[in-house]
This record gives sequence, structure tokens and C-alpha cells, in this order.
Amino acid sequence: TQLLEQSPQFLSIQEGENLTVYCNSSSVFSSLQWYRQEPGEGPVLLVTVVTGGEVKKLKRLTFQFGDARKDSSLHITAAQPGDTGLYLCAGARNFNKFYFGSGTKLNVKP
Amino acid sequence: DAGITQSPRYKITETGRQVTLMCHQTWSHSYMFWYRQDLGHGLRLIYYSAAADITDKGEVPDGYVVSRSKTENFPLTLESATRSQTSVYFCASTGGETQYFGPGTRLLVL
Repeated sequence: TQLLEQSPQFLSIQEGENLTVYCNSSSVFSSLQWYRQEPGEGPVLLVTVVTGGEVKKLKRLTFQFGDARKDSSLHITAAQPGDTGLYLCAGARNFNKFYFGSGTKLNVKP
Repeated sequence: DAGITQSPRYKITETGRQVTLMCHQTWSHSYMFWYRQDLGHGLRLIYYSAAADITDKGEVPDGYVVSRSKTENFPLTLESATRSQTSVYFCASTGGETQYFGPGTRLLVL
């Protein structure tokens, strides 16, 4: 059983559409991270959220950490083909032990 | 070049053989990690290390052995490879809140 459940697993949308990816758990984490992974490469960190209720923006990407620090969401506005990839969330315990969700594979069609 | 490197990038072996995957980082990060990535499971932590000579089990440690005699190296050994250990293996190190991943090793056990 995954400690972190990500949904949806797959998402195929047209360029310009908005989307939200969810990362849920029954456990509390000291921080939560979002990564993007390209085929054949390792994950690359997009953002870390630490405080319950925290919202961070990275250009067209908005990340939110739940008030209870158990869940998070990633919202992409006006998706572009360059956003295509595997998005992973990871919860940290004691800031140094990370538990990953199973990932959301996003395909943005031109 | 500075960063985190893994070798080999691809490996084919047979059931029962011993295999060692290498990981090297140039940042002198204290924490290092080994993950395996399988479809439907995301990244699962195998072992991690807080410093030289300090290692601890992650979620899926069975069948693996690690060592950390030097801060910059964190090799992962499969003592007697099994088909279920066919996977992509990622090494990572942590600097502050950021986890940096290597490019991965694709291992096929026949």
C-alpha cells in the first residue's frame, strides 16, 4: 500500500487546458515535494512546501499543501506541450526520509 | 563535473549473480539514498545513509546491501540477483531541502 496516493495516474489534455493533480495521504509529513521526471532521466525537484496551507507558484504551476500537512495539489494553468512528463509527489518524514507517490503521467497535445 | 553520477547506466545480469551499482556525488552532501522505480509503484526507498558509516533500511531493503566508507560514494549491491529486482535504480543526495537524483541505472535480471 502506497503511503501517498496520487491521482489521476494518467492525464491526456489539449494545449491550453487547465489541470490539477492530487496527492493524498492519511499521514502527516514534515514537508512535501513535487518533482517532474523526463523519460530516461532522474526526477527534478519543482517545489517544496513546508507549512500547512502554504501555496507556492512557479510560473503557470501552483502548488498547495493541505492545512493538516497530509495532502497536496499541483495545478497547471494553460498547459503546454513542454509540461509533458511524469509528475511525482514525495512526503518527507523528519525532512530526510522521503515517500513517493506512484506518479501522474501527463501528456499535453499540441 | 559536479553533480551525482551513477554507473553503469545499463546492466544485464543473470539470476543468482552479484551486482554492484555505483553512485558518486561531488557536493559532500551528508544524506544519500537508493530508490527503485517500477511501473505502478513510483519510487520506493531501498536504503539511505545519513553520513559515512551510517546506513539504514528503507521500505524495500530485502536482497540489497549498502556501504558508505566515504561521504561521496554510496554503492548498492544485489547479493544474489532475482528477476523481481529488474528495475530502474536511482541514487540521490540531499542538500538542504532539495533532493538531487542521478540519471539512473536500468537493470535487467534474466
